Amino acid sequence: DAGVIQSPRHEVTEMGQEVTLRCKPISGHNSLFWYRQTMMRGLELLIYFNNNVPIDDSGMPEDRFSAKMPNASFSTLKIQPSEPRDSAVYFCASSFGQGNSPLHFGNGTRLTVT
Amino acid sequence: AQTVTQSQPEMSVQEAETVTLSCTYDTSENNYYLFWYKQPPSRQMILVIRQEAYKQQNATENRFSVNFQKAAKSFSLKISDSQLGDTAMYFCAFMKNRDDKIIFGKGTRLHILP
Repeated sequence: DAGVIQSPRHEVTEMGQEVTLRCKPISGHNSLFWYRQTMMRGLELLIYFNNNVPIDDSGMPEDRFSAKMPNASFSTLKIQPSEPRDSAVYFCASSFGQGNSPLHFGNGTRLTVT
Repeated sequence: AQTVTQSQPEMSVQEAETVTLSCTYDTSENNYYLFWYKQPPSRQMILVIRQEAYKQQNATENRFSVNFQKAAKSFSLKISDSQLGDTAMYFCAFMKNRDDKIIFGKGTRLHILP
């Protein structure tokens, strides 16, 4: 099992540019989560999907952020336009859901917006 | 809404000592799950231990054990015979039963000193 795969591992972009982060969950997992980690706020849940359907996007900070899950093996988190305050580590995680299954995290994408 | 509080931002202990990390949470739920995750400098998020709220017995995984006090809403992590490889950020996390969303505390940075 390859685990949760995120790309890119690092992303440096200029303010105003569009940024797309990608995630491939573990095969068979039906829940997928996007988290953002900063020193100030710790780990914040941005959005999660169950069976490819967005269940809770209350953590998405602004309309500049959007997430999609077109199929069970792929998800994207897009920021358009990006701002310096979006700089953070973005984690994708997946699970079987329903409490008995813990989260399995990807290695994260470190985003720097200059 | 559920909250998770870790009151110790940073701790240091000597190698081979025992250390306890504190975590309290707030919920009106009766059934839920609690977790401790470890994040070493590599940035990877690793599940350390898990506790179901309906189980009175404290979970144990080798050198890691928890002290789960349901009435006090406390879930501390004890690391025995600490090792240099235990140096990491430790996150306490909460999940309601029949829900996928996991809420994290802000973390405790633990340094194991040689």
